[in-house]
Amino acid sequence: NAGVTQTPKFRVLKTGQSMTLLCAQDMNHEYMYWYRQDPGMGLRLIHYSVGEGTTAKGEVPDGYNVSRLKKQNFLLGLESAAPSQTSVYFCASSESGDYGYTFGSGTRLTVV
Amino acid sequence: EDQVTQSPEALRLQEGESSSLNCSYTVSGLRGLFWYRQDPGKGPEFLFTLYSAGEEKEKERLKATLTKKESFLHITAPKPEDSATYLCAVQALGYGAQKLVFGQGTRLTINP
Repeated sequence: NAGVTQTPKFRVLKTGQSMTLLCAQDMNHEYMYWYRQDPGMGLRLIHYSVGEGTTAKGEVPDGYNVSRLKKQNFLLGLESAAPSQTSVYFCASSESGDYGYTFGSGTRLTVV
Repeated sequence: EDQVTQSPEALRLQEGESSSLNCSYTVSGLRGLFWYRQDPGKGPEFLFTLYSAGEEKEKERLKATLTKKESFLHITAPKPEDSATYLCAVQALGYGAQKLVFGQGTRLTINP
């Protein structure tokens, strides 16, 4: 049982480049989330989805786009990367209930 | 605006030395308070959910308690393997999805 899988684990981008982070879950969870984690800032919600085909903005959505074409996948896109997007990105999923999130192991992104 | 503040930022204890971590929160209406453990280079791991003041939950050497304004994570006779960052998060009433607002975390180090 893999849980939540994020790819890639590490990436270095040049300013202005684009990339997509992939999150896949095998628990049939309805809800999926993208967070970024920065020193001293804690985890901040970028975008989330309440089901296949739905997306919504979180606390810090600017510069990011997302898609949830399949229930098990949630993609995070950076169209034109900026150094301020250097961070560790976590994907998470949850059931409709109160069992907390299951997190992936993170993607460490550096924009130079 | 929902807010979560954790203290202290870092705590260093000797093995066997019990202590408590604090999570203060401001939320329009609390649906649930969550505790997570995060090891370096990994995603957060779910520990507990608390719903109402006076509630307590235990897991091995950890016990979480909840009041109307704060939660405590008590660590009894800790071992070096309890070293990690502990994250607190709140979910407010009225959220369609399980959006969580996280604190900055307390980095706990247990010395042998």
